[in-house]
Amino acid sequence: QKEVEQDPGPLSVPEGAIVSLNCTYSNSAFQYFMWYRQYSRKGPELLMYTYSSGNKEDGRFTAQVDKSSKYISLFIRDSQPSDSATYLCAMSDQGTSYDKVIFGPGTSLSVIP
Amino acid sequence: DAGVTQSPTHLIKTRGQQVTLRCSPKSGHDTVSWYQQALGQGPQFIFQYYEEEERQRGNFPDRFSGHQFPNYSSELNVNALLLGDSALYLCASSLKAAQGNSPLHFGNGTRLTVT
Repeated sequence: QKEVEQDPGPLSVPEGAIVSLNCTYSNSAFQYFMWYRQYSRKGPELLMYTYSSGNKEDGRFTAQVDKSSKYISLFIRDSQPSDSATYLCAMSDQGTSYDKVIFGPGTSLSVIP
Repeated sequence: DAGVTQSPTHLIKTRGQQVTLRCSPKSGHDTVSWYQQALGQGPQFIFQYYEEEERQRGNFPDRFSGHQFPNYSSELNVNALLLGDSALYLCASSLKAAQGNSPLHFGNGTRLTVT
């Protein structure tokens, strides 16, 4: 079993739809949780980060962490064609900074105008 | 404010050769991590450098080595290249003293092709 699992997609939605992206993990020691967006031929860009369980909202993006279920989610409201990218969930069990971050395989998202 | 810069952007090498990739961290950052991203996969942690020393290492063979310089920039060296080393190599920087409030900032990577 991989440490972090993520549906690779591809996921295709119409513009304006609500998008739900999910990851499951096996290591209960993970305590920092992140979502990165990666456009083609670019490096990952940090979208959201949370510590331990709970919700965090930033504009059209909401991140949820359920440590009891080892499950994290990213919701995108009013999706735009510019949101078309690969979304990577990531997590770390380190006590300082974001050392040795473990990434999921990524979900490819296409938002159709 | 300069972000993470990596060079070169693309590289083609022959099996058995050696390669050196370079990274300059984001201004104000002192820690550099290297990741390997195969096509269609998430980045895999190679190692992390802080205060010019390797602090953590992922599951990569000794053919992968690195260095950090006093100005915090870093190099990744790969010896005896294999076809399977073909990937996007990503450098990420962070600030150690910020602990949980310094997420990784990535460069755009070096695309290495081994033929």
